Amino acid sequence: EAGVAQSPRYKIIEKRQSVAFWCNPISGHATLYWYQQILGQGPKLLIQFQNNGVVDDSQLPKDRFSAERLKGVDSTLKIQPAKLEDSAVYLCASSLGDRQPQHFGDGTRLSIL
Amino acid sequence: GENVEQHPSTLSVQEGDSAVIKCTYSDSASNYFPWYKQELGKGPQLIIDIRSNVGEKKDQRIAVTLNKTAKHFSLHITETQPEDSAVYFCAASKDTGFQKLVFGTGTRLLVSP
Repeated sequence: EAGVAQSPRYKIIEKRQSVAFWCNPISGHATLYWYQQILGQGPKLLIQFQNNGVVDDSQLPKDRFSAERLKGVDSTLKIQPAKLEDSAVYLCASSLGDRQPQHFGDGTRLSIL
Repeated sequence: GENVEQHPSTLSVQEGDSAVIKCTYSDSASNYFPWYKQELGKGPQLIIDIRSNVGEKKDQRIAVTLNKTAKHFSLHITETQPEDSAVYFCAASKDTGFQKLVFGTGTRLLVSP
């Protein structure tokens, strides 16, 4: 079975610019997660979708971050405008349903200059 | 909210030795504890998980033990091999409501031939 696909793998932008990341979960997985992983730390959940609905976005900085999963399959995460502290790896994960094991993609490494 | 502490931050062993990584959690309502292995440039990969109705779980050279009274759980790797070298993360979550994984800070394991 194909894993979680993410693109791009790397992105370099200047502060105050905008950026978007894309995620395609494992086929049939209803639950999708976006995590932020700062260098040397564990992943931190930003937002969780169940199909096309948001079930948890309590740790998403909503003044600059947004995410959508319009058709309940793939998802995009956007940052606008970017700050230096947004430099991190952005990981997408999916699971068959809630309370099922989460499977991660290889992430997008974002560098802010 | 939940807080997960992980020790040690780095662990060096000789090939064939055993390695033990320990985690403690703060929320007594947590009852799902997965372990992830993350190689350089890759996303976290689930290697084993345990739920609170089980005290120990084994999968070949890997085992996880859980002590709910003390609120700690451990990963045990026996007969370590160089390919076990990676960063290992523990995580904790409740099973009520939507699953929200809180990760530890990671342990960098180096297995020397």
